[in-house]
Amino acid sequence: QSVLTQPPSVSAAPGQKVTISCSGSSSNIGNNCVSWYRQFPGTAPKLLIYECNKRPSGIPDRFSGSKSGTSATLAITGLQTGDEADYYCGAWDSSLSAGVFGGGTKLTVL
Amino acid sequence: EVQLVESGGGLVQPGGSLRLSCAASGFTFSSYWMTWVRQAPGKGLEWVANIRQDGSEKYYVDSVKGRFTISRDNAKNSLYLQMNSLRAEDTAVYYCAPLPSNAPPKYWGQGTLVTVSS
Repeated sequence: QSVLTQPPSVSAAPGQKVTISCSGSSSNIGNNCVSWYRQFPGTAPKLLIYECNKRPSGIPDRFSGSKSGTSATLAITGLQTGDEADYYCGAWDSSLSAGVFGGGTKLTVL
Repeated sequence: EVQLVESGGGLVQPGGSLRLSCAASGFTFSSYWMTWVRQAPGKGLEWVANIRQDGSEKYYVDSVKGRFTISRDNAKNSLYLQMNSLRAEDTAVYYCAPLPSNAPPKYWGQGTLVTVSS
């Protein structure tokens, strides 16, 4: 059972927008920012969003993050077939003194 | 460029031990908390352990307390995870990462696979 809660799967058509939710508590998302990662099969996670809404160099502005209360959302616009992957949210948990993660969401681009 | 190279994984019988290593470069290793995160086959990411910059504070997920020990050698820019009394449920890819201040990892190594099976 993951500390953060994500939907197991989402899907959308190429060119459309999709959102992935991440729910936590006051000890993590409620008082800390969220990071988002993308992972292709057999590879390590890659950072997409950090500090709630910042993008590392090389990540296109099709990816954006937001936070409200104890939940966060990753939005991906202009979906491409190459965006099919697993997406994870992560946040610092002040009670555990650790980074915690969601269970992952599989994105299917129909 | 931040580089993290994990090693030491392999096949081990239940009850056995392994020591994972992580060689870090491209950042000031001694300035960062470090963490181990694992991912069981087909499952999500799970935090395993953290260690403070000087090694004076360590935190573990409940499922590994008393069995795993995290340590570091700042002179060698290296992080370690001693895993004892291994169980089938410890089977996973293990990643090491530096921790930004009060935030989850930004950078990840390629991971090392630990398989616990008879």
